[in-house]
Parts: sequence; C-alpha cells; structure tokens
Amino acid sequence: AQTVTQSQPEMSVQEAETVTLSCTYDTSESNYYLFWYKQPPSRQMILVIRQEAYKQQNATENRFSVNFQKAAKSFSLKISDSQLGDTAMYFCAFMKLPNSGNTPLVFGKGTRLSVIA
Amino acid sequence: SAVISQKPSRDICQRGTSLTIQCQVDSQVTMMFWYRQQPGQSLTLIATANQGSEATYESGFVIDKFPISRPNLTFSTLTVSNMSPEDSSIYLCSVEKETEAFFGQGTRLTVV
Repeated sequence: AQTVTQSQPEMSVQEAETVTLSCTYDTSESNYYLFWYKQPPSRQMILVIRQEAYKQQNATENRFSVNFQKAAKSFSLKISDSQLGDTAMYFCAFMKLPNSGNTPLVFGKGTRLSVIA
Repeated sequence: SAVISQKPSRDICQRGTSLTIQCQVDSQVTMMFWYRQQPGQSLTLIATANQGSEATYESGFVIDKFPISRPNLTFSTLTVSNMSPEDSSIYLCSVEKETEAFFGQGTRLTVV
C-alpha cells in the first residue's frame, strides 16, 4: 500500500516571499503520478501541479514548482512570490498507474498555508 | 477535463436520519470515487463506484452505512445512513480523466 506523509501541519509566509511545502511517500510501484492539490475555504479541490514519476525534469506551473527526488521518494512544492490567494490547505497526493481503468488518489494529511500581508 | 455538480453543498441533519448526496458529471466516466474528509483531516476513500456493478468499499466502510448507486456513466449518489455526530464531515465525489482527478464542490454534513 502507498502512504503519503506531510510533516508540516501549518506554515505561514509573508506576501511576495517563497515557501516550500514538504511531502514524502512510500511505494513499491515504479510508475505513478504525484500531485499537489489546493483546498481553499470554499472546499473546492484545485490541482496545483502534477509530476509523472518517469520524468526526471521537475514540473513547473507559473509560480509553483516541485522538487521531485524519486530515489528519496520526496516531492516538495515551492511557491514563489506568495499571494494572499494562496492561503489554503495543500494536499500532496499519489496515484499509481492502473493496468486498466482508474485508481484513486492517496492523500497526505495536508499543510495549512497562511499568506500574511 | 470534467465538471462535477455535487449537491447539497451543506446540510444539518438529525441523528438517526439519512442523507443522499448526488454527483452529476458533464461527461461519461467509468469510475467515480467517494471520499470523506473529517474536520481538519485529509481525504479518505470511502468507495469506488462502477456503472453496472456494486461499489467497492474500503476497509472501515460498509454498504449498509454508505449505500451507493451508479445508474449511468454520468451520475452517482452516496447515502449516509442512520447518521450520528461522528458522521459530520465533508463528503466529496471525484472522477479521473487522463490521470487528473476532478472533484465536486463537496457536501458539508453536520449531524446534531
């Protein structure tokens, strides 16, 4: 079974600064995807960024980037130029590649990020 | 992509009663997933719903407590039965398209 660990229950960052959220995972699978999802107070789950395990290049999406270390099973999220709208709960999630159909996500416990003006 | 309409968005229910949550997807999908998010916690998978077959439940969740229907490829319901205060949570449905997961807006359930 897969497990996802987020060791930082809460973090805060000053507006315009950079913050890094940590995530580690455990799996025996070789093909999988990793995700960061954002959940603001509205409860809507929003995909922030996705990383395919077979790609060595770290994914980036505008102000969001990841540091994917496959051997260490580490998948941290860096948010640059933090904005007030980044305030949310952030979940790291794992998806193994299915042989057919879909497989559900396995989530970490989340990190509550507060961006301070 | 996929757009999921989930309702109700919130409800306050008396203990011992049941609530049915609905999810409508704007396209056909094989599997739908139902998650529970207890207050301040992460998302835990309740069950996987396939059209035309019984749902597959995760350990700790049973069909009598959380019956699921999946009458077609765009719709599913989750019922929370004989509710107790411990069932107070956010319930979310989800589908996947091209290895990306999409979620409904969630149902915030409070049992009093």
